[in-house]
Amino acid sequence: GQQLNQSPQSMFIQEGEDVSMNCTSSSIFNTWLWYKQDPGEGPVLLIALYKAGELTSNGRLTAQFGITRKDSFLNISASIPSDVGIYFCAGLSPGTYKYIFGTGTRLKVLA
Amino acid sequence: GAVVSQHPSWVICKSGTSVKIECRSLDFQATTMFWYRQFPKQSLMLMATSNEGSKATYEQGVEKDKFLINHASLTLSTLTVTSAHPEDSSFYICSVHIGTGPGSPLHFGNGTRLTVT
Repeated sequence: GQQLNQSPQSMFIQEGEDVSMNCTSSSIFNTWLWYKQDPGEGPVLLIALYKAGELTSNGRLTAQFGITRKDSFLNISASIPSDVGIYFCAGLSPGTYKYIFGTGTRLKVLA
Repeated sequence: GAVVSQHPSWVICKSGTSVKIECRSLDFQATTMFWYRQFPKQSLMLMATSNEGSKATYEQGVEKDKFLINHASLTLSTLTVTSAHPEDSSFYICSVHIGTGPGSPLHFGNGTRLTVT
């Protein structure tokens, strides 16, 4: 099935550093979602975005709906060890009800 | 709190047997539920859309006779992996929309780890 390109695939960072990741598509989306998945568990919703240019925060997390509607960004400030996990973006195309998921960014935080 | 409950969380079965996985919406009614499959270190792939009171809609390449979906009530959808084989070993996760409209976010169950020996 179709997937979104997510970058980077993985990253190792020091505790306290900021993290940036993005998700890009060749087609436009009406909604962007960002999830975090811990090993052996289902993804947990972090942030939902509904309008081009929208910038939304959830604690240390900030996500933006790209102005072209073809991309989205997630930033994590002052990372902590519990930020470790896999982050997925998901996009919803106009006229559909099925979300497409990104390839994931695996984050590891070094204490 | 959790909005979707999935059971069992893990199951090991022998090749050729069938396994049923349950997905329940908690404290709300879900006319539509979604079943995803996730292989190790890969993304989530939509398998099928479960529709209450009607047939499920399967994604291209997913065998409907192998992955039987039943959505008999507004709070329960089941996925049965029939005649399971080792290649069916995977992480199966259900999800539901929270809110109205197709753009409402998906909330996921905790997943079921299936291992076929």
